[in-house]
Amino acid sequence: QSVLTQPPSVSGAPGQRVTISCTGSSSNIGAGYDVHWYQQLPRTAPKLLIYGNNNRPSGVPDRFSGSRSGPSASLAITGLQAEDEADYYCQSYDSSLSGSNWVFGGGTKLTVL
Amino acid sequence: QVQLVQSGAEVKKPGASVKVSCKAYGYTFTSSTIGWVRQAPGQGLEWMGWISVYNGNTNYAQKLQGRVTMTTDTSTSTAYMELRSLRSDDTAMFYCARGDSYGYSVEAFDIWGQGTMVTVSS
Repeated sequence: QSVLTQPPSVSGAPGQRVTISCTGSSSNIGAGYDVHWYQQLPRTAPKLLIYGNNNRPSGVPDRFSGSRSGPSASLAITGLQAEDEADYYCQSYDSSLSGSNWVFGGGTKLTVL
Repeated sequence: QVQLVQSGAEVKKPGASVKVSCKAYGYTFTSSTIGWVRQAPGQGLEWMGWISVYNGNTNYAQKLQGRVTMTTDTSTSTAYMELRSLRSDDTAMFYCARGDSYGYSVEAFDIWGQGTMVTVSS
C-alpha cells in the first residue's frame, strides 16, 4: 500500500482529455515535496514524463501536463492517442519515520477505448 | 548516447544473493546519483534506494535495510546492487536509474536501464 494514492485505472476515447490524480498527505506532497510522473509502456522500462510538478523533458509532447496543489498532484493528457495506453506513476518524497523515503504511487493503467 | 545498460537475467535459489550491474554511457558518471527500483510481476514500482556516485553515500528503503548494498566503480562507470537472503517475493524486474534533482526538492529518475529480471525459485 503506497502512501501516494492513484486510481487503479482510467479510460478515455481518442481525442479526449483524461486526468490521473496522486493523493498524498502532510508528510509528502502536502509538506511541499515536488512530484514527478513516469509513463511505462507495456514490457518496457519507465520513462520520465513530467518533472518538478509541471515540467516536460525534451521530447515529451505538450499534450501532457502536470500540476500540484496541497497534498495532491495531477497528470492531464489531452488529445488522447492510442499510443498513450500505458501505466502511469507519480513519485515524491515522504518524511515519515517508517517506510521508504522516495515513494511511488501505486500506478494507474490508462486504457484508450 | 546517454544510457544505462544492465546485466542479464538471473535465477537464484531462496537464501542466495544476487548482484546486478548497471553500466553508464554518454555522461559524467560522478555527476549524478544512481537509484534502484524494482517491480514484481504485475505490480507497481518500488523504490529500493540510491547511491551518490560522487561520495558513495547511500540511502536504502527501510524494508530492505540489512539485505541490500549499493556500490559503484567509477573506473568503469558501473553501479552495482546486491540483494542477499533472497526470498520468493523478491522475484522482480530490477531497474537502475539516473537521479537528477533539476533544482527541485526530489530527485527524478531521468534515464533508466532496460531492467534485469531476477527470479527466486527452489
